[in-house]
Amino acid sequence: AQRVTQPEKLLSVFKGAPVELKCNYSYSGSPELFWYVQYSRQRLQLLLRHISRESIKGFTADLNKGETSFHLKKPFAQEEDSAMYYCALSAFHASGGSYIPTFGRGTSLIVHP
Amino acid sequence: NAGVTQTPKFQVLKTGQSMTLQCAQDMNHEYMSWYRQDPGMGLRLIHYSVGAGITDQGEVPNGYNVSRSTTEDFPLRLLSAAPSQTSVYFCASRAVAGANVLTFGAGSRLTVL
Repeated sequence: AQRVTQPEKLLSVFKGAPVELKCNYSYSGSPELFWYVQYSRQRLQLLLRHISRESIKGFTADLNKGETSFHLKKPFAQEEDSAMYYCALSAFHASGGSYIPTFGRGTSLIVHP
Repeated sequence: NAGVTQTPKFQVLKTGQSMTLQCAQDMNHEYMSWYRQDPGMGLRLIHYSVGAGITDQGEVPNGYNVSRSTTEDFPLRLLSAAPSQTSVYFCASRAVAGANVLTFGAGSRLTVL
């Protein structure tokens, strides 16, 4: 079975500081990984996915299969980045015949002015 | 285009009462799912469906029932509410083919006294 681990419940930084939200996974197959974000009073939404290899709002994430990690990084944090961030892994379930995402426990990022 | 609509937004129940959380989507998504969000536990999958007439259990299905009579609707039923079911519930959907990205509803906050 797949597992997603986000070791930090809370990450607190000052504006302009670099940010790294950690995500490690365990999965025997080829993973599809995502970062979702939930801003205050807003819905959960996709931030980025490893397949796209894009930068969204200054955030990037690289899949490291050797370390089984998908850490989210931003060189200079902004106050508006304060939110809850969830790492997710999507794996195919033969029993259900579909890709089923598993989420980590989430990391709350607080960016102080 | 409303996306994923959940009702009610807030509900207070007494132990033993029953209720249904409604979820509707207008994107013709085949896959629909219910998650509960608890502090420190992240998002945990309750039930999911890959199409009308097909449902399957997720990680924490006990105490919850679902049905999928149409593509658009995926209600979540609590037959006999317990305080342990106090949580925020999210419905999410996606197309089976194409990008594996979930679209979330706004959430339903349930308190069981």
